[in-house]
Amino acid sequence: AQSVTQLGSHVSVSEGALVLLRCNYSSSVPPYLFWYVQYPNQGLQLLLKYTTGATLVKGINGFEAEFKKSETSFHLTKPSAHMSDAAEYFCAVSDRGYTGTASKLTFGTGTRLQVTL
Amino acid sequence: DGGITQSPKYLFRKEGQNVTLSCEQNLNHDAMYWYRQDPGQGLRLIYYSQIVNDFQKGDIAEGYSVSREKKESFPLTVTSAQKNPTAFYLCASSNLDYYNEQFFGPGTRLTVL
Repeated sequence: AQSVTQLGSHVSVSEGALVLLRCNYSSSVPPYLFWYVQYPNQGLQLLLKYTTGATLVKGINGFEAEFKKSETSFHLTKPSAHMSDAAEYFCAVSDRGYTGTASKLTFGTGTRLQVTL
Repeated sequence: DGGITQSPKYLFRKEGQNVTLSCEQNLNHDAMYWYRQDPGQGLRLIYYSQIVNDFQKGDIAEGYSVSREKKESFPLTVTSAQKNPTAFYLCASSNLDYYNEQFFGPGTRLTVL
């Protein structure tokens, strides 16, 4: 069984400060990992994903995440927060389906990011 | 423009009534999914489908039903057997390649009065 833990349901940073959102996962197989962002009353938008290869993954809007197998972590960072980054962020792990089959995502409970002036 | 549409955006129903949420995609994706979102609980999988006329239960299927008569459409019915149906419902779709990246619709907020 897979699971995702996001430490901190609410994170507040000042505009221009570093953003760090934490995600730890549990998986019995090498994982596929995702970060999604959700703005109020909207669907989820993919920020970035790790599948294989380079462990530092760059995504949209200046976000990046590093896969650390030894720490079972996939923390999301952004060097300088902007007011428009205020949203809820979800980390997810895939059960790594085989080609031709659907894979299921297991989501963390989310972290709401607040950006203050 | 390719994407996923969900309708309606807001839905109000009386307790004891069945209600059907619409999900349509024009991404030519084979797989479709339904999730339920509650505050502080993340997203939980209700049902998913890999192919027309076939679907599987997710983690919280009780009180819900689905159909997949067309590749583009995957409606969700919230039945009167669902004990606490008020929630935000999200539909997603994906290819069946190795990575199965899921794309999400804008969601439907269901409130049962």
